[in-house]
This record gives sequence, structure tokens and C-alpha cells, in this order.
Amino acid sequence: DAGITQSPRHKVTETGTPVTLRCHQTENHRYMYWYRQDPGHGLRLIHYSYGVKDTDKGEVSDGYSVSRSKTEDFLLTLESATSSQTSVYFCAISSGLAGDTGELFFGEGSRLTVL
Amino acid sequence: GDSVTQMEGPVTLSEEAFLTINCTYTATGYPSLFWYVQYPGEGLQLLLKATKADDKGSNKGFEATYRKETTSFHLEKGSVQVSDSAVYFCALKDNFNKFYFGSGTKLNVKP
Repeated sequence: DAGITQSPRHKVTETGTPVTLRCHQTENHRYMYWYRQDPGHGLRLIHYSYGVKDTDKGEVSDGYSVSRSKTEDFLLTLESATSSQTSVYFCAISSGLAGDTGELFFGEGSRLTVL
Repeated sequence: GDSVTQMEGPVTLSEEAFLTINCTYTATGYPSLFWYVQYPGEGLQLLLKATKADDKGSNKGFEATYRKETTSFHLEKGSVQVSDSAVYFCALKDNFNKFYFGSGTKLNVKP
């Protein structure tokens, strides 16, 4: 199994509070991603990173920010959580190397509830 | 932008029935195509992939062929088992290594 750890795995918070989710990898992969999974919407890309300090927006980036100061860590921050951000968040990694499988490896998910 | 559309579920089949889950895509470049599977309470895992037109991906009895002319990547299995019950996601990877997913199709297989 790919070495991806998400924390926390479960969190309940209140509207307006800041929340940070952490993704840690031990694979030294270049690309890291944050997705959210909601019923009827599948997985939607929030932000992704193609290297240290290099990030780009995904389909649903409003209300989220990210940071990647080290290869192994990718942080997702909700500056002021809203109920619409209640979701399951998945981190994923990919090596992006030419000739590899091009596969995404997923973490186990973080369930966030905003009351 | 790039996108993936897959058939809505749930799909309910009896054991040993034939499975087809339709997937079509829109892409500006030359994407790679994937099927991922998610078992209850778990993250997604790769089922199969195809990197160019006419490639056929296969794994665990599942198959899908990359059809550029119809922009499709339909998932098929000749004889499903109860253990195949899961949610299946079609996905594409663009030239910038971004992955886009369909909305998922839940498969229920009854004994």
C-alpha cells in the first residue's frame, strides 16, 4: 500500500471556525491532490500540487487554500468552515514520472462535519 | 474543461450476470483513462487503465476499451460476483497530471 496518511480522520466543527487537514506521504511522489466526495457528485478536485510550493486550483477551490512546504506534506485549510463543506476529503498522490502507471494512490479519507 | 460522465446508479444485478457501466469523456488533449473502485468505508483503488486510443485495460475479469471515436471507456464484466459490489468511478488524467472523476456508479450484486 502507498504510504499516505490523512489526519484527522474525523472532525466535527462549528460554522466559522478554521480547519486544517493534513496529508502526509512517504513515497516521495511529486504530485499531491485534495478531493472532496459528496453523494451524486463523485470526487471533485479542490487543489493540487505539482511540487514544493507549486499548487493550482481545481474544480471547487472556493473557500479552500493549500500549502506544500515539503514534498511529503500537503495541507488543506478551510479558513472559515461552512455547512456546505461537510464532506469526506481524500488526499491522493501520483509520481507523474514518464513511463509509470499514471495511477493515483488515495488516502483513507477525512470525514468533516460542519455544524 | 475536461470532464467525465458516467451512468447513474445504482445498478442491481444477480450473480453471474453481465455488467456494463457506461463512461464518456470530454478532453482537449490526449488523456489517459481509468476505472477506480471504492469498497465500503475505503478509499479508491485502481481497477484498470488505458493510456491511448484502442488500448484495452483489464483486471479481475473487468475490461474497458479506450474508444477515441466515441470518446468512451465503458466498463464490462462477463459474470459478476457478490464481491464485486462497490462504487465504480471512471476517470481521466489530462496532460497536466490532473485527474477528473465521474460521479460514480454503485453496483449491487445479489446472490
